[in-house]
Amino acid sequence: AQSVAQPEDQVNVAEGNPLTVKCTYSVSGNPYLFWYVQYPNRGLQFLLKYITGDNLVKGSYGFEAEFNKSQTSFHLKKPSALVSDSALYFCAVSLGASGGGADGLTFGKGTHLIIQP
Amino acid sequence: SAVISQKPSRDICQRGTSLTIQCQVDSQVTMMFWYRQQPGQSLTLIATANQGSEATYESGFVIDKFPISRPNLTFSTLTVSNMSPEDSSIYLCSVGTSGRNEQFFGPGTRLTVL
Repeated sequence: AQSVAQPEDQVNVAEGNPLTVKCTYSVSGNPYLFWYVQYPNRGLQFLLKYITGDNLVKGSYGFEAEFNKSQTSFHLKKPSALVSDSALYFCAVSLGASGGGADGLTFGKGTHLIIQP
Repeated sequence: SAVISQKPSRDICQRGTSLTIQCQVDSQVTMMFWYRQQPGQSLTLIATANQGSEATYESGFVIDKFPISRPNLTFSTLTVSNMSPEDSSIYLCSVGTSGRNEQFFGPGTRLTVL
């Protein structure tokens, strides 16, 4: 069975500082990894994905994530945080047996990111 | 990315009744999924809606409680049957296409059961 761990319920960062939201995963195979963001009263928005290739993937709104196979991690990062980045962030994994879009996702519990002015 | 709509956006229902949630996509997609997000919790996959065949349910979810239809490649429904307050959640549909390696979510249906 696959699982995702987001060890921090909340991350507080000052505006302009770099941010990191942590994610580790457990799958019995090659993972397809995703980050989604959820703003209050809005749906889940896709940020970025890792399927294969370069370990550093770039996504929407200036976010990027680094895949580390040896540490089974996929941490979300941004060089300079904005107050508007404040939201709930979810890491997710699928086995990708049928192509990531064709497999249900297993989500972490989410991390509240709070950017302070 | 696909444009996904869900109806209703929210509802308040009485215990013991059923609610059917609709998910409509603006383009044909291979896979549709239904998730539940309980208050303050993460998303949990309920089932995969297969076009032309029965849905595939995850452990802990059964067809009698959550019947699903997928009549074509752009539409699916999820029914929450014989509701109890524990069914109060946000229900989200998502869509994916084999080989695209991305999944996009609808806005969700916020269900409150009294």
